[in-house]
Amino acid sequence: DQQVKQNSPSLSVQEGRISILNCDYTNSMFDYFLWYKKYPAEGPTFLISISSIKDKNEDGRFTVFLNKSAKHLSLHIVPSQPGDSAVYFCAASDSGGGADGLTFGKGTHLIIQP
Amino acid sequence: KAGVTQTPRYLIKTRGQQVTLSCSPISGHRSVSWYQQTPGQGLQFLFEYFSETQRNKGNFPGRFSGRQFSNSRSEMNVSTLELGDSALYLCASSLAFSPGQGAGYTFGSGTRLTVV
Repeated sequence: DQQVKQNSPSLSVQEGRISILNCDYTNSMFDYFLWYKKYPAEGPTFLISISSIKDKNEDGRFTVFLNKSAKHLSLHIVPSQPGDSAVYFCAASDSGGGADGLTFGKGTHLIIQP
Repeated sequence: KAGVTQTPRYLIKTRGQQVTLSCSPISGHRSVSWYQQTPGQGLQFLFEYFSETQRNKGNFPGRFSGRQFSNSRSEMNVSTLELGDSALYLCASSLAFSPGQGAGYTFGSGTRLTVV
């Protein structure tokens, strides 16, 4: 049973436009969420995170929104740049349990078109 | 500072063999976690070590094991390899893992294991 779902395997966006990556989760115990970015042949790198006590966190061009009632979070990238082309993973953790490390989604491949 | 180093980068093994992968964390990081990445399952948590003790373990069979040394370097071992073990194995280090500190993870580039 997949507890973190990224339903779009790929997403194509024009350079300069907004990229919106979505993530849904089923485990109501998750209270900390993260986004990682991965280039081919490299390990994932941390992008941005959000605690369940917030509904928005912003860092430069990247904003993460959390809707707890819908168990949904999204990552907005504005404006999108060619270097943003990568696979983006959504991850979640349960700070109360913590026994299972981070639970990742399967990733969304973002392609920025020039 | 040097990043997380995983060796080897690529490995080809035959079914039934065993394999050992190595991870050297960032200097000063005491927590090392291992993840398996496959196209079908994404990244899945294997286990986490802190100060030479396994603190957490994911839902993998006993063929998957690991250890951590006093210098925080970690190894993972897979015995009796199966074709389905072909994956990218990623190691992540942090100063001290707590679930709310996932941002503190630094991943290595991974070891690509192919089982034939």
